[in-house]
Amino acid sequence: AQSVTQLGSHVSVSEGALVLLRCNYSSSVPPYLFWYVQYPNQGLQLLLKYTSAATLVKGINGFEAEFKKSETSFHLTKPSAHMSDAAEYFCAVSDHNTDKLIFGTGTRLQVFP
Amino acid sequence: KAGVTQTPRYLIKTRGQQVTLSCSPISGHRSVSWYQQTPGQGLQFLFEYFSETQRNKGNFPGRFSGRQFSNSRSEMNVSTLELGDSALYLCATRNPVAGDITDTQYFGPGTRLTVL
Repeated sequence: AQSVTQLGSHVSVSEGALVLLRCNYSSSVPPYLFWYVQYPNQGLQLLLKYTSAATLVKGINGFEAEFKKSETSFHLTKPSAHMSDAAEYFCAVSDHNTDKLIFGTGTRLQVFP
Repeated sequence: KAGVTQTPRYLIKTRGQQVTLSCSPISGHRSVSWYQQTPGQGLQFLFEYFSETQRNKGNFPGRFSGRQFSNSRSEMNVSTLELGDSALYLCATRNPVAGDITDTQYFGPGTRLTVL
């Protein structure tokens, strides 16, 4: 069965600092991985997705993620945090049999001025 | 292009009642999936409809049901509501291409259901 684990339910950074949100996956087949962001009282918005093309994936709002098979990781990074990045971030893997998304437990990002 | 629309946005019900939530997909999207989001269980898959047929189902009791209409709009119904059904219900739509499971799912803003 496929799954994702997000390390750290809360991450706090200062404005302008590096953002690193961790995601590890478990999959017996090549995974398709996604990062979504959820702002308060809103649905989920896709940041980026990995579909086995390039291992370094660039997304919206300056975010990117690198697929590392050897580490079974798909960490999300942004060089310089903005106040507007404060939100909850979810890593997800697509189930190969059903196409449903299997989500991690989420990481809440706080950005301090 | 308009996004995914969910109605109503907020709903308050009492235990034992039933509720119907609606999801209108992005134009051209034929697949609609439903997810339940709670603080304790996180985001969990309920079911997916494609061309008016339920294609996949998550591990939820039979009180949770859904349907899809010919215009791809979908409804989900929860009968005999329990306190634990309080959650944000999200729908996600996509236009699946045969053999491609990487197509993006677009989420609506959700319906916040509170059961008293």
